[in-house]
Amino acid sequence: KQEVTQIPAALSVPEGENLVLNCSFTDSAIYNLQWFRQDPGKGLTSLLLIQSSQREQTSGRLNASLDKSSGRSTLYIAASQPGDSATYLCAAGGRGGSYIPTFGRGTSLIVHP
Amino acid sequence: DADVTQTPRNRITKTGKRIMLECSQTKGHDRMYWYRQDPGLGLRLIYYSFDVKDINKGEISDGYSVSRQAQAKFSLSLESAIPNQTALYFCATSDLQGPTDTQYFGPGTRLTVL
Repeated sequence: KQEVTQIPAALSVPEGENLVLNCSFTDSAIYNLQWFRQDPGKGLTSLLLIQSSQREQTSGRLNASLDKSSGRSTLYIAASQPGDSATYLCAAGGRGGSYIPTFGRGTSLIVHP
Repeated sequence: DADVTQTPRNRITKTGKRIMLECSQTKGHDRMYWYRQDPGLGLRLIYYSFDVKDINKGEISDGYSVSRQAQAKFSLSLESAIPNQTALYFCATSDLQGPTDTQYFGPGTRLTVL
């Protein structure tokens, strides 16, 4: 059974810092790895999706990397802003036609001015 | 208009009542999912459907049932609600045939069982 762990569970940083959120998974036979953002009481918004054949994806100030052999993904946020404050979740997608993602519990990020 | 909608957005009910949560999508995706989210536990899969005739249990299906009325509609029912079903419920869709298999989430339904 796939298990996904996110470290740290919570993070508080001053505005402007570059930061890294970590996601680890136990079964490397994944279809893809997806990062989401969730604002309090709201749904999840997809940020980046890395296919199993890819090593990284970038969108604006966000960069996500994937190392299947070590069972790790990282989300790098450059020059953090207060508007980045949210919970960030990663999800490892199962292999093959039965793609079913397994979610981590998330990292709660606060960026203070 | 939102691609994935959920109704109701908030619901308070009593123990033993039957509750239905509805999900509709305009993305044309075949795959739909129901999750619940509890503080500190992340998202857990309740049921998923790969098309109208294909419905599967997730890791926490006990106490729940679903109906896929059409490609665009997927409903979740609590036959006899109990307090530990108080949670935030999300519907999601995905399309494995697409160039990426991003999951798209609805805004959620906050359910409280007294």
